[in-house]
This record gives sequence, C-alpha cells and structure tokens, in this order.
Amino acid sequence: QKEVEQDPGPLSVPEGAIVSLNCTYSNSAFQYFMWYRQYSRKGPELLMYTYSSGNKEDGRFTAQVDKSSKYISLFIRDSQPSDSATYLCAMSAFSASKIIFGSGTRLSIRP
Amino acid sequence: SAVISQKPSRDICQRGTSLTIQCQVDSQVTMMFWYRQQPGQSLTLIATANQGSEATYESGFVIDKFPISRPNLTFSTLTVSNMSPEDSSIYLCSVVRTRQSETQYFGPGTRLLVL
Repeated sequence: QKEVEQDPGPLSVPEGAIVSLNCTYSNSAFQYFMWYRQYSRKGPELLMYTYSSGNKEDGRFTAQVDKSSKYISLFIRDSQPSDSATYLCAMSAFSASKIIFGSGTRLSIRP
Repeated sequence: SAVISQKPSRDICQRGTSLTIQCQVDSQVTMMFWYRQQPGQSLTLIATANQGSEATYESGFVIDKFPISRPNLTFSTLTVSNMSPEDSSIYLCSVVRTRQSETQYFGPGTRLLVL
C-alpha cells in the first residue's frame, strides 16, 4: 500500500465548475499537508499549505484536512482554463523534512 | 519564495555516460533536496544534499549512481552516472529556506532522455 493515494484522473470539467481533488494517506504521523500545481514541462508550484486538521481558504482555492479519516481535499471554485494542470498532494511528518507526494491528478478545464 | 534555476533544462544522453545537473538558488537556504519524476509518475526523493558533508540518500538510491555535491548554501549538483534508458526522467531540486520553514520550493526541473 502506498503511503499516499491519489486518483490520477484525468479529470475534465467545464469552466466555472467546482473541482474537488482528494488524497488519502496511511501514516498517522503526517502533520503538514500541501497541494502543488504542476504545469506541463514546469516544476511543481506550491499552491496551498495546511498544518494539522481544518480548512484553509485562499481566493478560489480551499484546502481541507481530516486527520481522523486520513483524508485531504482541495476545492477549486469558479474553475478557469488556466487551472488546467496536474495537482499533487503532498505531506510530511515534520517541518522542513521529507515530503511524500501523491501520484498527481491531471485536471482539464474546458472553456 | 525562492528563485531556483537548474542547468541544463534538458539533455539527451547516450547510455553509459554521466550527466551533472546544477541547481542554483538566489539566496542562502537551509536544506536542498533532489527528486526524480519518472514519466507519468509522482516525485520520488533521491537524497538530501548536505552542505559540507555527504548527502543522505533514500532507500533505493546510492551515492555511486547519484553522487551529490553541495559546496555552499546556494548551490548543489546531482550527477546521474553510467546512465541507462531507465534513468530517463525529470530531475528536480527543491529548497527549504529555514528549519522553521514549512514549505519546499521547486526548481523548473531537468528533462533527461537516455538513448
């Protein structure tokens, strides 16, 4: 079993839709949870960061962490074609330590 | 955030040869890491580059195959030695600014194709 599971997609939705991306994990020691966005032929870009359980909102993006269920989500509201990318969930047990990545979900927003 | 550059951005190499990838950061950082992203897969940590000492390798990666240098707090190199087609991948460096920092920032990556 992988430490972090993420549906690879691809996921295709129309512009303006709400997108939900999810990951599950098995290591209860994880405390830091991140979402990275990776455009084609680019390095991953940090999108959202959350510590422990709870919600965090930044513009059209909301990250949720449920440690009791070992489940994290990223919601994108009013999705735009420019949101088309691969989204990677990532997590670590300690600050500034090794990060474990999900396999990434390829998202396409149709105009 | 940190401005990170990598050289080369891409290369095509013959099997049996070696390639050294450079990672340069615009300011001093505490930690530097090297990752591999194979086609269609996620990122896998190769090693932590330690300034002034030997790198710390993850399971499945060895120094003879992936020697790493980090001579100062802004620069690191990763060498892919005795390459085979299975080494075709994107190689990325990432940095953490301080030990209290909670985020890693990634470079643009080096796309390597081994024939």
